[in-house]
Amino acid sequence: EAQVTQNPRYLITVTGKKLTVTCSQNMNHEYMSWYRQDPGLGLRQIYYSMNVEVTDKGDVPEGYKVSRKEKRNFPLILESPSPNQTSLYFCASSLSNMNTEAFFGQGTRLTVV
Amino acid sequence: GDSVTQMEGPVTLSEEAFLTINCTYTATGYPSLFWYVQYPGEGLQLLLKATKADDKGSNKGFEATYRKETTSFHLEKGSVQVSDSAVYFCAQNYGGSQGNLIFGKGTKLSVKP
Repeated sequence: EAQVTQNPRYLITVTGKKLTVTCSQNMNHEYMSWYRQDPGLGLRQIYYSMNVEVTDKGDVPEGYKVSRKEKRNFPLILESPSPNQTSLYFCASSLSNMNTEAFFGQGTRLTVV
Repeated sequence: GDSVTQMEGPVTLSEEAFLTINCTYTATGYPSLFWYVQYPGEGLQLLLKATKADDKGSNKGFEATYRKETTSFHLEKGSVQVSDSAVYFCAQNYGGSQGNLIFGKGTKLSVKP
């Protein structure tokens, strides 16, 4: 089954404690991205990757890092989480960046206290 | 910059009522347009899309027509069901160097029996 898998689904952590949210896709997609969803703001792109070893900032990259060492995986790293990063996070993948359907993971609800 | 504006929710309808969710976009290029649906506790799923002017996307009884002259992509369904209760997102993607989906803020639909 074609899917994007994120882990964990729920996470509560404390300010400053480094964490990683994993994302894996099994569709051999080149393009992957991370979004955060906040009430009243919709979804905003954090980082994206056109292919292995190619990553770039999206619209709200501050406080986040990513890596793309393999085509299937695209982890999101919060080196020093802060309460304003409390949000619902989605990983997505698509064949390319051009006009193609994006497939989303089920989301990770992060709370930073 | 490029943006998507959709009607504010929540929208509450009775079963079998007619649904319209308005969506307009601003874009420097000629984007593809999408409607995504998010059921409770899940990630976003593609509902329908249109890639050029006058295209009509349709799926599960939902329809939307790409109107270049009015820069609109309104979602319609003739007879909603309780199972259609979800959050609906309008989005555009013109590709480009970033290639991200630009989302509207979402419209929550509740359908009562």
